[in-house]
Amino acid sequence: DAGITQSPRHKVTETGTPVTLRCHQTENHRYMYWYRQDPGHGLRLIHYSYGVKDTDKGEVSDGYSVSRSKTEDFLLTLESATSSQTSVYFCAISDAGTSGRGTYNEQFFGPGTRLTVL
Amino acid sequence: SQQGEEDPQALSIQEGENATMNCSYKTSINNLQWYRQNSGRGLVHLILIRSNEREKHSGRLRVTLDTSKKSSSLLITASRAADTASYFCATDTWGAQKLVFGQGTRLTINP
Repeated sequence: DAGITQSPRHKVTETGTPVTLRCHQTENHRYMYWYRQDPGHGLRLIHYSYGVKDTDKGEVSDGYSVSRSKTEDFLLTLESATSSQTSVYFCAISDAGTSGRGTYNEQFFGPGTRLTVL
Repeated sequence: SQQGEEDPQALSIQEGENATMNCSYKTSINNLQWYRQNSGRGLVHLILIRSNEREKHSGRLRVTLDTSKKSSSLLITASRAADTASYFCATDTWGAQKLVFGQGTRLTINP
């Protein structure tokens, strides 16, 4: 596996509490992504980062915020967790760029964090 | 909204048979990628095919892309029990560093 870790791996919390998930990479990749995976919905992008302090929203960003103060760390925060945010969260990294054959943007995924909001 | 839709949603075959999964998408793309996810794990990149390519091989994997039909197929030949997993297609558009994933095909290889 690429050098990506996520912490915690499992978390159970109560509605209304703040939660922060951490993604850490040792690959020095420029791009980092947070996804959630739910049955029937596949993977959906929450937020992504294209550099330190540079972030943008994804498809399902409401209720989530992110921060990236260092290349290696990308934090996902649920300010006030709700039961609808119960999900498996995946971090991914990419060193997207352009070669003589075109653009490449394969993503490498972390092991996931299973979050349960009661 | 999902860009890619995989078909079938679930597929069960005997070990040694070939498995074919299809992906359809809605808008023009730059690249199309296939990923595998074993139960309880993160996704693993399998293969990338560019919009100007029609076919690509990697080991037992063969991917085709038909941009006129906005569809792709992933063929796994001589399947093994270890191929049991969910398979996802993902697309990106020109200039975008984001991928849009389909909902996946769950493949079961029976011994």
